[in-house]
Amino acid sequence: DAMVIQNPRYQVTQFGKPVTLSCSQTLNHNVMYWYQQKSSQAPKLLFHYYDKDFNNEADTPDNFQSRRPNTSFCFLDIRSPGLGDAAMYLCATSRGTRGDEKLFFGSGTQLSVL
Amino acid sequence: AQKVTQAQTEISVVEKEDVTLDCVYETRDTTYYLFWYKQPPSGELVFLIRRNSFDEQNEISGRYSWNFQKSTSSFNFTITASQVVDSAVYFCALSGGNSGYSTLTFGKGTMLLVSP
Repeated sequence: DAMVIQNPRYQVTQFGKPVTLSCSQTLNHNVMYWYQQKSSQAPKLLFHYYDKDFNNEADTPDNFQSRRPNTSFCFLDIRSPGLGDAAMYLCATSRGTRGDEKLFFGSGTQLSVL
Repeated sequence: AQKVTQAQTEISVVEKEDVTLDCVYETRDTTYYLFWYKQPPSGELVFLIRRNSFDEQNEISGRYSWNFQKSTSSFNFTITASQVVDSAVYFCALSGGNSGYSTLTFGKGTMLLVSP
């Protein structure tokens, strides 16, 4: 019954080695989000897609990119991971972007950078 | 700019105790929405409740209740007769509604530990 699925659950990469995290959804929602959550901190929005329209947060580093090839899938690419990029990455979806939209989250991918 | 403050970093209680999680927010929007999400050890944030700025009625859902007070910009969450399964990180979040477009601003979360 999982509605927002993230793979893998744990990802280990090396400093500077590109890594891609995956997210898929069965809800047919228009909007997909990527959040970064570091230990004991609030989830921080990196970017989101409304359909194919990409919206980048102003303070998201250029090192982070995203792709949404179709409604169901969204990818987070980290071009050159640094030690500071180790975090939980959460994917979420919503029907729209109105202020009252409820978000549906995946279980996250815990990224370690060695 | 929007801001959500959850002053309690961690709370420990014994099963069956009541516990209140505090949330204070700041926004310039006249229309806004407040949320609580639960993040159990599995990692997935789960929606608990949504409140709009025009509805100050308190809400009760089973052992959960929420107290929204615009006068103090607070949206507190109470768990009655806590259970071990309530152990999780709880996030309060805020989104604006004036522009018809918004994204969530989360607080830092409160970790609740309920021991048997």
